[in-house]
Amino acid sequence: AQSVTQLDSHVSVSEGTPVLLRCNYSSSYSPSLFWYVQHPNKGLQLLLKYTSAATLVKGINGFEAEFKKSETSFHLTKPSAHMSDAAEYFCVVSDRELTGGGNKLTFGTGTQLKVEL
Amino acid sequence: NAGVTQTPKFRVLKTGQSMTLLCAQDMNHEYMYWYRQDPGMGLRLIHYSVGEGTTAKGEVPDGYNVSRLKKQNFLLGLESAAPSQTSVYFCASSYRGTGLRNTEAFFGQGTRLTVV
Repeated sequence: AQSVTQLDSHVSVSEGTPVLLRCNYSSSYSPSLFWYVQHPNKGLQLLLKYTSAATLVKGINGFEAEFKKSETSFHLTKPSAHMSDAAEYFCVVSDRELTGGGNKLTFGTGTQLKVEL
Repeated sequence: NAGVTQTPKFRVLKTGQSMTLLCAQDMNHEYMYWYRQDPGMGLRLIHYSVGEGTTAKGEVPDGYNVSRLKKQNFLLGLESAAPSQTSVYFCASSYRGTGLRNTEAFFGQGTRLTVV
């Protein structure tokens, strides 16, 4: 069965320093992997996705993630944090369809990123 | 571009009351979903639909019903609200992918529901 573990529930960084949000997944198949961001009282916005092309994936707002099959990881990074990056981040895995169709998405429990001056 | 639109955005219900949450998407997606988000639990799938006129149960379907009479709309109903249904509800949609790769979901802004 597919599952996702976000290793840190809270991460705090200073503005201008690097961001690392860790995600490990479990999948019996070749998965698709996603990172979503949720700003306070907002919906989820797709940051980036991995779907079997290049293992280093670039997303919006300077974020990127690297798919490492040997480590079953898909960590999210950004070289320099900005105040506007403060939000909750969700790692999501999908390696199969729901019964009858549709995408079975399994969400991690989220990482709250705090950015301090 | 509207994307996925949910109404209402906020609602307070008394225990035992009923209500319907509406989701509309303008991207011609085949698949639509309802999730609930609770603190520390990520998002959990309530019900989903793979096309007009079809619905199926997700991970936590009890206490909810859904309907998809039109491709662009997906309704979530609570017949008799309970405090345990206090949550943030998200609607999402996605298109049918090609090959073996699943596609990303597009989410609405959420509905914050409180049952007292």
